[in-house]
Amino acid sequence: QVQLQESGPGLVKPSQTLSLTCTVSGGSISSGSYYWSWIRQPAGKGLEWIGHIYTSGSTNYNPSLKSRITISADTSKNQFSLRLNSVTAADTAAYYCARGGLVGAIYFDYWGLGTLVTVSS
Amino acid sequence: SSELTQDPSVSVALGQTVRITCQGDSLRRYYANWYQQKPGQAPVVVIYGNNNRPSGIPDRFSGSSSGNTVSLTITGAQAEDEGDYYCNSRDSSGNLVVFGGGTKLTVL
Repeated sequence: QVQLQESGPGLVKPSQTLSLTCTVSGGSISSGSYYWSWIRQPAGKGLEWIGHIYTSGSTNYNPSLKSRITISADTSKNQFSLRLNSVTAADTAAYYCARGGLVGAIYFDYWGLGTLVTVSS
Repeated sequence: SSELTQDPSVSVALGQTVRITCQGDSLRRYYANWYQQKPGQAPVVVIYGNNNRPSGIPDRFSGSSSGNTVSLTITGAQAEDEGDYYCNSRDSSGNLVVFGGGTKLTVL
């Protein structure tokens, strides 16, 4: 059973960098054909795809965030990470990491519990 | 605004059948997936690839597709089916992941 767990600061100051890590257990992030993804959800709102890193190491980002984000992986720790620069209050949200499979379109079969990140001074 | 459009809310009487829809041009070419989310919890995939049900998902959940619209049908809705439902697929370019805005299902 694959499990994912997000970790990182719950409070980030405006203009600073949000950094989150997703630790994966029960499967290797460097095996198979999966899209290790970040998704966020502001309180009371819908889901927003942030981006992913594929098993091969290639990345794909939401164009609305592309200039500010980096997703990377550390296969030795079986983790992947999100960095979001120059944050504002609009980046306050629950952040989820998830594993994406592909059947015509990417679907997310395993999710972390999510971590709430608040951007505030 | 999302490339995938969902009705904000839908209600159904206990035990009745409800259909939740998701519209978008990209759905003519690409499969869609459905997620159920309950308050304070992560989403759970209930349908993937238009009409595939993951193990552990009750068979009252089914998916279908027609033209630019995909549908999630719950046959015999139960109280525990209340929650938010999201569709997701590719965007019109085929390169990106998009989610619908979500539909809040109320079981009366």
